[in-house]
Amino acid sequence: SQTIHQWPATLVQPVGSPLSLECTVEGTSNPNLYWYRQAAGRGLQLLFYSVGIGQISSEVPQNLSASRPQDRQFILSSKKLLLSDSGFYLCAWSVLAENTEAFFGQGTRLTVV
Amino acid sequence: DAKTTQPNSMESNEEEPVHLPCNHSTISGTDYIHWYRQLPSQGPEYVIHGLTSNVNNRMASLAIAEDRKSSTLILHRATLRDAAVYYCILRLYGGSQGNLIFGKGTKLSVKP
Repeated sequence: SQTIHQWPATLVQPVGSPLSLECTVEGTSNPNLYWYRQAAGRGLQLLFYSVGIGQISSEVPQNLSASRPQDRQFILSSKKLLLSDSGFYLCAWSVLAENTEAFFGQGTRLTVV
Repeated sequence: DAKTTQPNSMESNEEEPVHLPCNHSTISGTDYIHWYRQLPSQGPEYVIHGLTSNVNNRMASLAIAEDRKSSTLILHRATLRDAAVYYCILRLYGGSQGNLIFGKGTKLSVKP
């Protein structure tokens, strides 16, 4: 069966420090991969999505970047965190079809102090 | 840019049915309608999806209007565990676009 791993669950980082969040998927090949952010009390904002290795689409220009070095690995990074980067970060995957469901990780709660 | 419109919040009593509406007036003929829900401090989970016909599964039912410009998620007997934010989204035809866009959803409160 397919599973998605996202870590860490919580993270407290100082302003100006780098960030690396990792997401891996098991049990499927060539998935679509997504990174979302959810600010406190807000909806889900799509940050990046990837349809293949090395293919990254950015939905919102910001202080973050994403990479997909392997088929089932998706990494969210920042060189210097801002206070506004705080939030709940979610990774998700789906197959390349509109009639299938997407699966989400348990999320990383990032607090920038 | 979400292409669906939902009420910000709704309330229900426990063990009563709940009808969560969603408007998607700009839906294309081959876009699928998906529903997800997000429990507090968790990632969203899939609930149900459909294209034209009404759909039922163990979690809920999905009623789709004949013109497909609106749909309703039906929880037949709300429980306290159904309190969550419910998202109605359109899964764009041509999956190569890749994106999966969520709106603000409807926050459902269930009263005992």
